[in-house]
Amino acid sequence: DAEITQSPRHKITETGRQVTLACHQTWNHNNMFWYRQDLGHGLRLIHYSYGVQDTNKGEVSDGYSVSRSNTEDLPLTLESAASSQTSVYFCASSEWTGADTQYFGPGTRLTVL
Amino acid sequence: QKEVEQNSGPLSVPEGAIASLNCTYSDRGSQSFFWYRQYSGKSPELIMFIYSNGDKEDGRFTAQLNKASQYVSLLIRDSQPSDSATYLCAVRRPLRYGGSQGNLIFGKGTKLSVKP
Repeated sequence: DAEITQSPRHKITETGRQVTLACHQTWNHNNMFWYRQDLGHGLRLIHYSYGVQDTNKGEVSDGYSVSRSNTEDLPLTLESAASSQTSVYFCASSEWTGADTQYFGPGTRLTVL
Repeated sequence: QKEVEQNSGPLSVPEGAIASLNCTYSDRGSQSFFWYRQYSGKSPELIMFIYSNGDKEDGRFTAQLNKASQYVSLLIRDSQPSDSATYLCAVRRPLRYGGSQGNLIFGKGTKLSVKP
């Protein structure tokens, strides 16, 4: 069955370290998204991609970067982790821009000490 | 005014009752609306989407949309303890946002508790 996976599921790191969170989908979806979810803020969009080599900033992109070299993967990199980036991160994908449904991965809980 | 607003709850209903979850949105040009359910510690999963004014039913769930009032709701009939979760309302950005038109704007969610 097609699916979307994230790794690692849990990560503890230290302030200043570079961290990369992986997202892999097997639906062959064009669109992929990264969100963070924090108490009191709900889901906030970090970065998104509408296809290979396409990346765009979301509402909370500072300190994060993404690259899209193939359809299946959209890794999220924290260049220099900060305590404010402690959160739960969700990756999602959808088929095409006009389509409706975003399917979410299981999430990565990141703690920055 | 926030783009998508929901009451945070918690909303508590007895088992078997109808749970009514509400969402308002600020951009009158919004066209597509979604309800996701999120269990504690899990990822959001889609329950329903609705595009047209009126009601859309799927099993025990009914989505209602009123574009004139910029209001969308989710009714859960015969509520079960397994329905206890946070329900997220999401709205697709209108077409005039160009390249970001595929993006969803999420409300903060309403926590529902169904008591046995």
